[in-house]
Amino acid sequence: QMHLQESGPGLVKPSETLSLTCTVSGGSISSSAYYWGWIRQPPGKGLEWIGNMYYSGSTFYNPSLKSRVTISVDASQNQFSLKLRSVTAADTSVYYCGRHTIGAFDIWGQGTMVTVSS
Amino acid sequence: QSALTQPASVSGSPGQSITISCTGTTSDVADYNYVSWYQQHPGKAPKLMIYDVTVRPSGVSNRFSGSKSGSTASLTISGLQADDEAEYYCSSYRGSSTLHVFGTGTKVTVL
Repeated sequence: QMHLQESGPGLVKPSETLSLTCTVSGGSISSSAYYWGWIRQPPGKGLEWIGNMYYSGSTFYNPSLKSRVTISVDASQNQFSLKLRSVTAADTSVYYCGRHTIGAFDIWGQGTMVTVSS
Repeated sequence: QSALTQPASVSGSPGQSITISCTGTTSDVADYNYVSWYQQHPGKAPKLMIYDVTVRPSGVSNRFSGSKSGSTASLTISGLQADDEAEYYCSSYRGSSTLHVFGTGTKVTVL
């Protein structure tokens, strides 16, 4: 059974870059059947799609975050990563990684809390 | 990127049926049969309950059902149970550039 796990710093300073990694186990990230994506949820608020990538490297980003986001893949490690530049307190959220078909995120990681604070 | 619109809260008694609406536009819900629904209990990751408007993943109770009419999708929970008390989010495909958008979320309370 496939499992996704987020990892990375829980605290990032304002104006710096948030970097998270999602490790996929129980299956290959190079499957042509799926996209891999990131979603975030500010404390007490709703879900926000950040972006997706395909194993080939194609990427798709939320237009509101596109200028600050990069999602990349390391197929040799069965991982994909998120970088969010120039963070502010508004980027404080639980960040989830997920497996995505055209229709839905069918498998989610447990989530990791990232706080932006000096 | 504007979110899909859901009611903030819906409530019902055990055994009753409730319906949660999800209103989008001709750029998402109306144009594509890629609406999904997620259940989220406090402190937990969301769980996929419905995809492709009406399809239940393996293991999801048949008390959960989805439908769509025009730019509004709906999730119906029948035979409401205490464990159904959670936040529910809809989502939709929004075309090849945006790919995905979530709803505003609905808190379901079992009275």
